[in-house]
Amino acid sequence: AQSVTQLDSQVPVFEEAPVELRCNYSSSVSVYLFWYVQYPNQGLQLLLKYLSGSTLVKGINGFEAEFNKSQTSFHLRKPSVHISDTAEYFCAVSGRMNYGGSQGNLIFGKGTKLSVKP
Amino acid sequence: ETGVTQSPTHLIKTRGQQVTLRCSSQSGHNTVSWYQQALGQGPQFIFQYYREEENGRGNFPPRFSGLQFPNYSSELNVNALELDDSALYLCASRSSVLQGAETQYFGPGTRLLVL
Repeated sequence: AQSVTQLDSQVPVFEEAPVELRCNYSSSVSVYLFWYVQYPNQGLQLLLKYLSGSTLVKGINGFEAEFNKSQTSFHLRKPSVHISDTAEYFCAVSGRMNYGGSQGNLIFGKGTKLSVKP
Repeated sequence: ETGVTQSPTHLIKTRGQQVTLRCSSQSGHNTVSWYQQALGQGPQFIFQYYREEENGRGNFPPRFSGLQFPNYSSELNVNALELDDSALYLCASRSSVLQGAETQYFGPGTRLLVL
């Protein structure tokens, strides 16, 4: 079984400051890792994903995340945030899957609300 | 490329009623999953459909059921609605044959309120 823990439920930060949103996972199998963003009253938008290879992955809107297998973490970072980054961010994990297999379902954390203040 | 669409956007039902939510998958995607997102929580996996059959299910009772059609669109049906079924219901699609099959793309969701 897999699980995801997002360590901070809310993160307030000033505009142009750096931010890190923390995510830890547990799994007995190899996993894929994802970060999604949800703006108010909207669905989920993929920010970035780790499948294999380089442990530093870059996504949209200037976000990046680093996969750390020994610490089972996948923290999301941005060097300088904007007001428009205010949203809820979800870390998710899925088992490495066979095509068409059920292992592709996502397990989500409870989310971190990022609030960027001017 | 058309993204995932869902209908309706909002819905109000009363306890005990039945509801059907609809989803059209992204072009080229043949696998559809449904998730329930309660207020203040992360999405929870309900079930997945591939080749018109359910091939994975989360911890949801049988009154949550679904269908997938030959054009890969899908329905989520919930019978005997309970107050706790009030949530945002998200549909996600992915391909099982194209590069990127591990990535799910979400629709805007249907917000269901049960009174």
